Amino acid sequence: GQNIDQPTEMTATEGAIVQINCTYQTSGFNGLFWYQQHAGEAPTFLSYNVLDGLEEKGRFSSFLSRSKGYSYLLLKELQMKDSASYLCAVIGSNYQLIWGAGTKLIIKP
Amino acid sequence: EAGVAQSPRYKIIEKRQSVAFWCNPISGHATLYWYQQILGQGPKLLIQFQNNGVVDDSQLPKDRFSAERLKGVDSTLKIQPAKLEDSAVYLCASSLGGVRGPSYEQYFGPGTRLTVT
Repeated sequence: GQNIDQPTEMTATEGAIVQINCTYQTSGFNGLFWYQQHAGEAPTFLSYNVLDGLEEKGRFSSFLSRSKGYSYLLLKELQMKDSASYLCAVIGSNYQLIWGAGTKLIIKP
Repeated sequence: EAGVAQSPRYKIIEKRQSVAFWCNPISGHATLYWYQQILGQGPKLLIQFQNNGVVDDSQLPKDRFSAERLKGVDSTLKIQPAKLEDSAVYLCASSLGGVRGPSYEQYFGPGTRLTVT
């Protein structure tokens, strides 16, 4: 079967750094997305990785290792507004997007 | 550019009643998706359209759910009859239509929160 694993919940302190991991087992791989979803709102795009390595975009970076079936989202200089759920999604072999359950990130002052 | 529009934003119905949701994607986006998201879970794809054709409806409960995208633009999702377990947020998303890269990025509407009592 196809599976995406993320931690259910994480807590971090304002101003700190947090890494949210995502591991996947899919029948194929054509790219990986990270989305942010604030409570009661729709998901919004954060990043896209298809090659191994680190993609940096401001305070957010995303890393991919295709051989390990592993990605992480790194958030620096955390702000209270970063409190949200972070969803990992993989484009599988049939080009269907497979979604993880999301990681709820709680930021404390 | 205008985003993905959905209506209604909220709906409360009794079980066994019918309900319909409407979605208008971003202009020029060929691909349209309907998702069901239950609280605390990731989105679950119900149906994917490419223009006005169905690409994937493998997870759509076809005995009660139906969707159409006439003319390849806006779309409606219907539930008839509704069950208690259908209580969820129904998200509509659209993308340019490529299968990878930036053109695959999905833009989501605000969603419809359905409560079945």
